[in-house]
Amino acid sequence: KNEVEQSPQNLTAQEGEFITINCSYSVGISALHWLQQHPGGGIVSLFMLSSGKKKHGRLIATINIQEKHSSLHITASHPRDSAVYICAAANYGGATNKLIFGTGTLLAVQP
Amino acid sequence: GAVVSQHPSRVICKSGTSVKIECRSLDFQATTMFWYRQFPKQSLMLMATSNEGSKATYEQGVEKDKFLINHASLTLSTLTVTSAHPEDSSFYICSARDRWKNTEAFFGQGTRLTVV
Repeated sequence: KNEVEQSPQNLTAQEGEFITINCSYSVGISALHWLQQHPGGGIVSLFMLSSGKKKHGRLIATINIQEKHSSLHITASHPRDSAVYICAAANYGGATNKLIFGTGTLLAVQP
Repeated sequence: GAVVSQHPSRVICKSGTSVKIECRSLDFQATTMFWYRQFPKQSLMLMATSNEGSKATYEQGVEKDKFLINHASLTLSTLTVTSAHPEDSSFYICSARDRWKNTEAFFGQGTRLTVV
């Protein structure tokens, strides 16, 4: 079993829908990242959070440390939100400081 | 916000030649840079970690003589794919850790390497 699991793997939504992508992890972390990768390949860092909730525009990320679970929400989804969304667990200050990546969620928002 | 510039974005080379990919932190000092490889429809795979002024640490299974990493300054790391073969065709991405913020979430745009 992967240390960082995402669900769903694929998601198709209609424009305007509220979208939720989930991330569960089994390792101890100090922070969790949400990343966005567009078809061209470039990666954009959306959020880094260690507790609670963060909001940026139509994107909201939450994390529950006790349950080892994080969610990424997209409100009023738009076709330009179509991308792969990746969560990554980090243990800064640990032995390696490496990120452990989830397998990604491919989101397609249809007009 | 912090920017990492990776160049080139795409490169096509002939088998047997070498290709150099650059990763620059534009507005911060990066003591550590990470190089990843991504196969189609798969997640990122860490290849190596480079620290400024010292030798890179390679992940198990990654040939250090084939993937040469140099991190000569606080703002530049390079990955050279030596004697490239078609199986080296992949998407390579770097990320940089801010010296003062201790986070690793600043990614380059990636380089699509095609070896023909």
